[in-house]
Amino acid sequence: GENVEQHPSTLSVQEGDSAVIKCTYSDSASNYFPWYKQELGKRPQLIIDIRSNVGEKKDQRIAVTLNKTAKHFSLHITETQPEDSAVYFCAPRNDMRFGAGTRLTVKP
Amino acid sequence: NAGVTQTPKFRVLKTGQSMTLLCAQDMNHEYMYWYRQDPGMGLRLIHYSVGEGTTAKGEVPDGYNVSRLKKQNFLLGLESAAPSQTSVYFCASSYVLAGFNNEQFFGPGTRLTVL
Repeated sequence: GENVEQHPSTLSVQEGDSAVIKCTYSDSASNYFPWYKQELGKRPQLIIDIRSNVGEKKDQRIAVTLNKTAKHFSLHITETQPEDSAVYFCAPRNDMRFGAGTRLTVKP
Repeated sequence: NAGVTQTPKFRVLKTGQSMTLLCAQDMNHEYMYWYRQDPGMGLRLIHYSVGEGTTAKGEVPDGYNVSRLKKQNFLLGLESAAPSQTSVYFCASSYVLAGFNNEQFFGPGTRLTVL
């Protein structure tokens, strides 16, 4: 089955700094690469996704980059704000296994 | 559109009791999933369904059963609850288009405590 690793497990940054979270997967058949955000006590929600035929996608302060050869994709958040504080999950292929999550804390 | 709804929101059971969690979606999605999330942990897939009348095991299926008799509903059953099943349960649904799986939409979760 799919092996998914997410790093780091926790990340603390100052407001305005950038944050990068990496997700490594094993299944070369994966063709859809989403990132979900889960605020405390809430349900996970999609924040950005990328298809296997695209290398990078950007949506305002959030971007996702994909390296299919190396089997990893990353979430980039620029100009971080306190409301970015949450747990972020990757889910390559989106149908089975989620990463263990990265707890991001943005300090004002 | 209500999206994905879950019933109940909270439940306390005694060891050995049984219960059924109900998930409903009104987006006509083919795929539905049940996850559990323990405190400070990620999401672990219990069972999933790729269509009405079909179900499959996920990562942690032991102690749970599921049924998908109607496309819009996915039921999760605990036949004999154990304290290790204390968790938050999330249901989700998604659609497939041109061979690609797509965004999962999650329900609000059910907080289950087994004493």
